[in-house]
Amino acid sequence: GAGVSQSPSNKVTEKGKDVELRCDPISGHTALYWYRQSLGQGLEFLIYFQGNSAPDKSGLPSDRFSAERTGGSVSTLTIQRTQQEDSAVYLCASSFRLNEQFFGPGTRLTVL
Amino acid sequence: GESVGLHLPTLSVQEGDNSIINCAYSNSASDYFIWYKQESGKGPQFIIDIRSNMDKRQGQRVTVLLNKTVKHLSLQIAATQPGDSAVYFCAENSGGSNYKLTFGKGTLLTVNP
Repeated sequence: GAGVSQSPSNKVTEKGKDVELRCDPISGHTALYWYRQSLGQGLEFLIYFQGNSAPDKSGLPSDRFSAERTGGSVSTLTIQRTQQEDSAVYLCASSFRLNEQFFGPGTRLTVL
Repeated sequence: GESVGLHLPTLSVQEGDNSIINCAYSNSASDYFIWYKQESGKGPQFIIDIRSNMDKRQGQRVTVLLNKTVKHLSLQIAATQPGDSAVYFCAENSGGSNYKLTFGKGTLLTVNP
């Protein structure tokens, strides 16, 4: 079956604009994660969804960041009023079993 | 806060040699560790994992060693191939979390033909 997919693959935006990043997890995976990866750095946890439970938003860096997951499947990460420091690769992962996360290819966000 | 770190940011080896990538962790409550491989322009790919009740686990051409005494994790790649060139990340389940992973900064492995 298909892996985790993300869109767009690349997004260039102007400072102050809002952006939406989409993640389609692997079918049947109940857990979904968003991470941010800055150039040459490791992955920074942003948010975690598990079934119908309240998401763990503890990694979101500011209130400009939000995410939702509709119908337990597709997720959208929204960044409002983007800043240059938001430029990074945003990675989505999903899992069925805890800890075994499968990653998508990421969305490279560039804020000019 | 506690974090996962790497001893070497870059590693260059000759094709056919064995590679060893090291990782230090400081959270003694973490009980699950994973190695990921990330090729340029792609998301991380799971390689191998190990739980804290083990000190060694082998996969295909890869071995992970865990030394809980010194909080050290290593990934050994046998007969390294050009296709192994990538950034390798270690990750730990933060303080025993059943879902939250903390990643190290990664080691760039370059395999010379």
